[in-house]
Amino acid sequence: DQQVKQNSPSLSVQEGRISILNCDYTNSMFDYFLWYKKYPAEGPTFLISISSIKDKNEDGRFTVFLNKSAKHLSLHIVPSQPGDSAVYFCAASRFGRQGGKLIFGQGTELSVKP
Amino acid sequence: DVKVTQSSRYLVKRTGEKVFLECVQDMDHENMFWYRQDPGLGLRLIYFSYDVKMKEKGDIPEGYSVSREKKERFSLILESASTNQTSMYLCASSPLGLAEKNTGELFFGEGSRLTVL
Repeated sequence: DQQVKQNSPSLSVQEGRISILNCDYTNSMFDYFLWYKKYPAEGPTFLISISSIKDKNEDGRFTVFLNKSAKHLSLHIVPSQPGDSAVYFCAASRFGRQGGKLIFGQGTELSVKP
Repeated sequence: DVKVTQSSRYLVKRTGEKVFLECVQDMDHENMFWYRQDPGLGLRLIYFSYDVKMKEKGDIPEGYSVSREKKERFSLILESASTNQTSMYLCASSPLGLAEKNTGELFFGEGSRLTVL
């Protein structure tokens, strides 16, 4: 049973526009959510996180929104740049910031075209 | 910077061979994890460990075992490799606890691409 779902396998966006990546989860025990970025042949790198007590967290061009009632989160990238082209994974944890295991979604491949 | 090093970037093995994937981290992290990444399936947790000589099964442990004899090292073992274990294997580590600097993130190595023929 997939507890964290990214239903869009791919997304194509023009440079300078907004990229919106979506993620849904089913387990109401999740209390912490993270987004990772992955280039081919490299390990995932951490982008941004949000605690379930918040509904928004911002870091430069990246903003994560959390809608707990809908069990939905999204990552906004504004403005999108060609270097943002990568696979993006959302992940969820039941352990807050304690560094426990993460459950990942299937990933969304973002392509930002010049 | 946190460094998670996986011993082999690319391996090609034959069906039935025993395979060892080694992972070392240099940040004194308590937690270590093994995931595999497959297209359309994302990252799936195989095994994890919160302490030396301790291990817990993840979501897909069948066909795998692990060893953690030292805090910095976490090994994944495929006792008898099969073609459906062809995948990208990712090791990760993280600190345990709620220290202010802890972000809850896992720090990943660069991955080991295993092909089983």
